[in-house]
Amino acid sequence: QQPVQSPQAVILREGEDAVINCSSSKALYSVHWYRQKHGEAPVFLMILLKGGEQKGHEKISASFNEKKQQSSLYLTASQLSYSGTYFCGTEIIQGAQKLVFGQGTRLTINP
Amino acid sequence: GAVVSQHPSWVICKSGTSVKIECRSLDFQATTMFWYRQFPKQSLMLMATSNEGSKATYEQGVEKDKFLINHASLTLSTLTVTSAHPEDSSFYICSARDPARETQYFGPGTRLLVL
Repeated sequence: QQPVQSPQAVILREGEDAVINCSSSKALYSVHWYRQKHGEAPVFLMILLKGGEQKGHEKISASFNEKKQQSSLYLTASQLSYSGTYFCGTEIIQGAQKLVFGQGTRLTINP
Repeated sequence: GAVVSQHPSWVICKSGTSVKIECRSLDFQATTMFWYRQFPKQSLMLMATSNEGSKATYEQGVEKDKFLINHASLTLSTLTVTSAHPEDSSFYICSARDPARETQYFGPGTRLLVL
């Protein structure tokens, strides 16, 4: 079943922060985050595995709450290059390998 | 990061012809590859899972006789759209799973336009 992402779209000014949420109705083994720019293929950002971890780089990080079956992607001090559509992909069973993607969150960063 | 190539990037063909799309993992061996279809402003729709040396597993509603998938080696999977029609026009994207990182890396995609 497709995970639900929120919000569907967000518009920010450069330097502002954003949070994108991904919720599943099923227990998750892993959550994968991707960013897709217009006309291009999705680019891998990070993976979070079962265990409730949080990881990421300096300004882009994510958390995974296993009990709540949800993950959040945090973008701080956003840059123009962060614009694009963000997708979460969920893996329900360890080893199932295939990902079910949310509907996407369109992020627009204005100068 | 891992690199996945896809060829061709653009295809324009006449209705009724067949189109073959190649997907290669360039710097890792992928026992599993995936084929997705994406319509404008929509999410990634998984079409099938391609396993090296075995038959592909198709998602519900995807015609296996129309979308032929072959995974001949650990670095190559192909998708053939047979007897293409205008409604098959779409953005087709492959991904390859890197078992060491437990994640998928996407190819650049193929835009198919059937006239």
